[in-house]
Amino acid sequence: EMQLVESGGGLVEPGGSLRLSCVVSGITFNYAWMSWVRQAPGKGLEWVGRIKSKAGGGTTDYAAVVKDRFTISRDDSKNTVYLEMNSLKSEDTGVYYCTHVGSIWDRIDSWGQGTLVTVSS
Amino acid sequence: QSALTQPASVSGSPGQSIAISCTGTSSDVGGYNYVSWYQQHPGKAPKLIIYDVTNRRSGVSDRFSGSKSGNTASLTISGLQAEDEADYYCSSYSSSSIVLFGGGTKLTVL
Repeated sequence: EMQLVESGGGLVEPGGSLRLSCVVSGITFNYAWMSWVRQAPGKGLEWVGRIKSKAGGGTTDYAAVVKDRFTISRDDSKNTVYLEMNSLKSEDTGVYYCTHVGSIWDRIDSWGQGTLVTVSS
Repeated sequence: QSALTQPASVSGSPGQSIAISCTGTSSDVGGYNYVSWYQQHPGKAPKLIIYDVTNRRSGVSDRFSGSKSGNTASLTISGLQAEDEADYYCSSYSSSSIVLFGGGTKLTVL
């Protein structure tokens, strides 16, 4: 069974940076497409971005609100996907979920438990 | 890149059927048969229940079904049960190679 375990969340000041990690087990990670989805307190789900497998080109796509500030990367040797977040704003506060993309049409079929990021002074 | 439109809330009594709509555009919901539905209970991560508009994920009750007409997809839950009370989100692939989510619908079982 697939497991996704996020870490790295915490409190950061506006303008600061944070890197989230997600370790994946139970699948052949190097073939996996992965994405990040966030949820502000009491609000709905918001897609952050996706990274394809290296076999799929290894490319990334991002939501407009985080493009140029957030970067998704992967280390297949560690079965880990990362979300590097820079120039953080208060509106970036929320639970960040690491997710597995089960098809090339972006079907998200598995979710981690989430890690909380709080951007506040 | 606007979010998909869902009703904020729906309610029904045990045993009844309800439907939740998810409206997009011809660039997302209407243009592809790649709409998914997720169920989220309070304090928990979302779970996939329907994918590719009509396909039920393995292990999901057959009381859950999905459909689409034009730019609007729908999730129908029949024979409502107390455990169905949760937030429901739709998502769709879009022509911009990004994923759009709906704003979410809170289902209350009366």
